[in-house]
Amino acid sequence: NAGVMQNPRHLVRRRGQEARLRCSPMKGHSHVYWYRQLPEEGLKFMVYLQKENIIDESGMPKERFSAEFPKEGPSILRIQQVVRGDSAAYFCASSPQGTTSGNSYEQYFGPGTRLTVT
Amino acid sequence: TQLLEQSPQFLSIQEGENLTVYCNSSSVFSSLQWYRQEPGEGPVLLVTVVTGGEVKKLKRLTFQFGDARKDSSLHITAAQPGDTGLYLCAGVLGRNQFYFGTGTSLTVIP
Repeated sequence: NAGVMQNPRHLVRRRGQEARLRCSPMKGHSHVYWYRQLPEEGLKFMVYLQKENIIDESGMPKERFSAEFPKEGPSILRIQQVVRGDSAAYFCASSPQGTTSGNSYEQYFGPGTRLTVT
Repeated sequence: TQLLEQSPQFLSIQEGENLTVYCNSSSVFSSLQWYRQEPGEGPVLLVTVVTGGEVKKLKRLTFQFGDARKDSSLHITAAQPGDTGLYLCAGVLGRNQFYFGTGTSLTVIP
């Protein structure tokens, strides 16, 4: 059973360009989360999606950022007109529908995409 | 405002020493997870605790969930260099809502 996959692993963009980050959840997982991490810091929640639905986008900046999880294909985090402050590691995690062990939900993370804006 | 606070933020110890990392909140969680993250990689799930007062052991790691399900601790016995990494706690609220702690960066010196 393949784990969560993210691509690209590294992405370099110039200021003003668009960045598209992809995440394929684990097989059988229908919940996807996107997080952002700066060096030596914890994970900052951005958005939580299920297939074709955005459940919670309270952590997403109001402008330039968008996310989708279509019926077919990977989840996409899109950053338009990138700025230097967008440079960070972006992680995707997936979890299965329903409970796993004793009413708990567990997330499994991908390896991340490191975005560098020059 | 950070929902989960971890302490200490940084910890550097000698191989063989014991250590405890704390994860505290004023919120009650349905479950709490601990992850370890190595540089350049995603966090890896270590354990999930669900019941107040629950204690789980994973080799030299002992995880405890507070009685009121607001806090947790991770104790490592006889730390090894391979334990080096960023330790993150995450509390679950409501419908699949995960909140991550600030992280504890552990360095074990050989």
